[in-house]
Amino acid sequence: GQNIDQPTEMTATEGAIVQINCTYQTSGFNGLFWYQQHAGEAPTFLSYNVLDGLEEKGRFSSFLSRSKGYSYLLLKELQMKDSASYLCAVRGGSYIPTFGRGTSLIVHP
Amino acid sequence: GAVVSQHPSWVICKSGTSVKIECRSLDFQATTMFWYRQFPKQSLMLMATSNEGSKATYEQGVEKDKFLINHASLTLSTLTVTSAHPEDSSFYICSPAASGKNEQFFGPGTRLTVL
Repeated sequence: GQNIDQPTEMTATEGAIVQINCTYQTSGFNGLFWYQQHAGEAPTFLSYNVLDGLEEKGRFSSFLSRSKGYSYLLLKELQMKDSASYLCAVRGGSYIPTFGRGTSLIVHP
Repeated sequence: GAVVSQHPSWVICKSGTSVKIECRSLDFQATTMFWYRQFPKQSLMLMATSNEGSKATYEQGVEKDKFLINHASLTLSTLTVTSAHPEDSSFYICSPAASGKNEQFFGPGTRLTVL
């Protein structure tokens, strides 16, 4: 089975940097995804990591350490529109992604 | 990203009726379709996985006779909630996947409310 853990809620200030952590335990590993989900909408793809290291894409970066079962999503220069739920999903040996409960990020002025 | 559509985007129905949700991948061939549902303030829970032309594989606790999945073509899959009850009210999201693609995209979702 798979177990994915991420904080339930985080708050940050506009313009700041925030790091959302995700730890996982899985049978087999075929990649880790980060998604952004606004209330009432479907998730939108942010990043995919399958090798260790940091992947940078604009204001968003994602890091993976397979040996530690750990990933984080880094958001820079926070904007109010970044207030959303951020979902960590792990694709295990079956290639089917399992989602964490999501981290609700609140960005305030 | 991939273009995925779902229809309807929302539906309200009476208890006991059936509702069909369509999911279309508009710009790639979806060899596999994942169907998820999401209850308020909860994460996405996988309901079933279907491969084009094959019967769907359902997750534990999901009734295959209640949630009928058809994946007859590489661009269309349907989920029919039969004899819907209020506890089936949820946000249903399809996620098509193609061989060799690492990204996984989602449809816009269908909000089902059963009265």
